[in-house]
This record gives sequence, structure tokens and C-alpha cells, in this order.
Amino acid sequence: ETGVTQTPRHLVMGMTNKKSLKCEQHLGHNAMYWYKQSAKKPLELMFVYNFKEQTENNSVPSRFSPECPNSSHLFLHLHTLQPEDSALYLCASSQDNYPRFYEQYFGPGTRLTVT
Amino acid sequence: SQKIEQNSEALNIQEGKTATLTCNYTNYSPAYLQWYRQDPGRGPVFLLLIRENEKEKRKERLKVTFDTTLKQSLFHITASQPADSATYLCALQEGNMLTFGGGTRLMVKP
Repeated sequence: ETGVTQTPRHLVMGMTNKKSLKCEQHLGHNAMYWYKQSAKKPLELMFVYNFKEQTENNSVPSRFSPECPNSSHLFLHLHTLQPEDSALYLCASSQDNYPRFYEQYFGPGTRLTVT
Repeated sequence: SQKIEQNSEALNIQEGKTATLTCNYTNYSPAYLQWYRQDPGRGPVFLLLIRENEKEKRKERLKVTFDTTLKQSLFHITASQPADSATYLCALQEGNMLTFGGGTRLMVKP
């Protein structure tokens, strides 16, 4: 596997379910990100991790819970979601995060539908 | 925080012509500005990065300009091809975060 992978690619869940999204990067990067992309809206940054430490939480509701066990893996745990949380969830990584900025490499995304 | 404006209407051009896409921002000039390409149902793909002290950056058929006075970046694709059809996103650095514009969809017709 190369680049950034995400599983599952598609997920349908009820509002009372608990599920997790997984992201893995094979690029040796130190920073990882979760983004949300809703229809007709710009990409919204959710969380930033740098060297496994969360450095940014962009006012995300607590029903989204990230986990970064190491620099290569990132999870997004989901519980009691709302229908408006249906979106494409994208994971990305970059060599480092700040102060210098590097390009980000994105995974293919998980298309989430909340029923 | 920054407000980033990209033309939300699709840009339709003929194959072989130059496509020019615009990215305007409202507040302070970022240290870095990036352009990405996104195809339907896929994650964005990085294309070019330009720094605030650079006026222009080129990569093959792509050219990006950065005018901090106008608070604007232009993205050009010369000799466009149908395979260039996609949504193009600009992104500005804010602290340790990238803020993305809504993107402009480019359609290149043969």
C-alpha cells in the first residue's frame, strides 16, 4: 500500500450506532488531519495531530472523537450522529505541520450516510 | 478567520485554450497558498505551493501567481485538455491549519 488509505470507503449507520473510521499513511509523515466535506460546502478541518499529539480541534462536536495511536494511524470514532453529519470524511497527512507548511496528501475518503 | 472566494460557477473552456481560475481572500496575506485538484468522490491532490515572497510559480502546464496587494491568486492551465476537467481548490495557511476555498469546477470540452 502506498500513500494514504482509508477504510471503510462507504458507511451507512443509524443515529444510535457507534462506528470508527480508520486512516493509515505510508509516507513517513508526522502530521495527520481529519476533514469533513459536505455537499456544496468547502472542506472543513476537524482535527490536527502532530507527532501523535492533537494540536487543533476546530470546534467539533463531542460525538466525533479522534484517536492517534502513532504517527501512521488515525481514527475517528463516531457515536450518536445526526443526519447532517452525512458527508465525505477525508484524512490527510503532511511531512510536518508548523511553522513551515508542507503540502497535504489526502486519502480517498469515507462516504458516510447517517439514517 | 479568512474568507476565501472562488468562483462557484463552473468554468467551461475549449480544449487547447488557457484556463484561468481565481482565488480571493479577505484578511491578512498568508505565508503559503496552495492549489489542489479534486475529482468527484476522491480526495484532493496537491498541485502547487507558492510563498508570500514569490510572485509566480510554474510546473509543466500549470502556473500560479500570488498578488498580496490585490489579495488574490490566479491559477492557469495552458493548452488545456479534457483530462484537466475537475474541481480546483485553493487553500491558505492560517496558523497551523489550511483553510480551503469552495473550489471552482473546470470543464474542458474537446
